[in-house]
Amino acid sequence: AQTVTQSQPEMSVQEAETVTLSCTYDTSENNYYLFWYKQPPSRQMILVIRQEAYKQQNATENRFSVNFQKAAKSFSLKISDSQLGDTAMYFCAFLFLSNTGKLIFGQGTTLQVKP
Amino acid sequence: DAGITQSPRHKVTETGTPVTLRCHQTENHRYMYWYRQDPGHGLRLIHYSYGVKDTDKGEVSDGYSVSRSKTEDFLLTLESATSSQTSVYFCAISPSGFNEQFFGPGTRLTVL
Repeated sequence: AQTVTQSQPEMSVQEAETVTLSCTYDTSENNYYLFWYKQPPSRQMILVIRQEAYKQQNATENRFSVNFQKAAKSFSLKISDSQLGDTAMYFCAFLFLSNTGKLIFGQGTTLQVKP
Repeated sequence: DAGITQSPRHKVTETGTPVTLRCHQTENHRYMYWYRQDPGHGLRLIHYSYGVKDTDKGEVSDGYSVSRSKTEDFLLTLESATSSQTSVYFCAISPSGFNEQFFGPGTRLTVL
């Protein structure tokens, strides 16, 4: 069975510093997408960034970037210049292209940005 | 923001009663999904739909049924609610099965 693991239940970072959230996954698939979603206290699920497995280049969206290591099955999220509004739970998710778009989520990492 | 609404946003009900949650989209996306979110589990797929009247089971489908009679609406029904179904329920939509999913605001359901 495919699984997604986020081994850091909680993390904290000082405002303006950089933090990295970890995610590993287990699959025999070769074609898939990976995502990071953010869930602030409002509970809304917000897409942060997306990575296609066939792309070697790591995805970047403003202050958010990923380190995608396909062989190691690792997909970490780096947040630069952390802001108070980044305080949220972050979920790593895996999309199997051979399985009608079923997203598999990790357990989540709660990130607190401290002033 | 993707045009997705969920109703009701909060509901408290008693064990054994039927409950229906509604997801409505204005994006005309083909795929719709229902997830539940519980502490320590992330989000888990309950059921999904890949077109009108086309649905299939997800990871945690026991005790739930769904219906989709129109592209824009996807209903989740708990035939006889149990306390284990207390959760936050999210609807999501996607233009195809091979894209990111966009989520509704969630429904908090409490079964007493």
